[in-house]
Amino acid sequence: KQEVTQIPAALSVPEGENLVLNCSFTDSAIYNLQWFRQDPGKGLTSLLLIQSSQREQTSGRLNASLDKSSGRSTLYIAASQPGDSATYLCAVAPNTDKLIFGTGTRLQVFP
Amino acid sequence: NAGVTQTPKFQVLKTGQSMTLQCAQDMNHNSMYWYRQDPGMGLRLIYYSASEGTTDKGEVPNGYNVSRLNKREFSLRLESAAPSQTSVYFCASSEASVLYGYTFGSGTRLTVV
Repeated sequence: KQEVTQIPAALSVPEGENLVLNCSFTDSAIYNLQWFRQDPGKGLTSLLLIQSSQREQTSGRLNASLDKSSGRSTLYIAASQPGDSATYLCAVAPNTDKLIFGTGTRLQVFP
Repeated sequence: NAGVTQTPKFQVLKTGQSMTLQCAQDMNHNSMYWYRQDPGMGLRLIYYSASEGTTDKGEVPNGYNVSRLNKREFSLRLESAAPSQTSVYFCASSEASVLYGYTFGSGTRLTVV
């Protein structure tokens, strides 16, 4: 059974720091991996989608990598800002019908 | 604004009551999904509809029913609410399967007392 784990569960950093969020999954047979952002009381916003054949995706200050063989993905946030404060969720697609989500990393960036 | 609209945003039910959560998308997406989010457990798939006219069970379908009314709308019904169904419910849509990424609604916070 596919399981997705995110470490750490919570992270607090000063503004300007570069940071890395980790995601691990137990079964390497995936179609893609997605990173989402969730603000308190809000829905999820898609940040990056990495297809199984890709190694990384970039969008602005965000860079996500995927290593299927080791069952790991990282989300790198450069020059963090208070506006980056949110919960970041990673999810893998074991088939074309659904996503399996991790429980998220709650990030706080303080001025 | 284009996107996924869920109603209501908040609801309190008594045990045994029924209700329907509504979801509509205006992006002409083929696939629609219902997830629930519980503390410490992440989001779990309840039901999904790969295309108009089809529905399938996800990981946690017990106690729920769904209807894909047309391409735009996908509703989730609780026939006899239980306290274990207290959760935040999210609807999502995708152009065609998870391969194309998801767009999520803002959620319905449901409390069953």
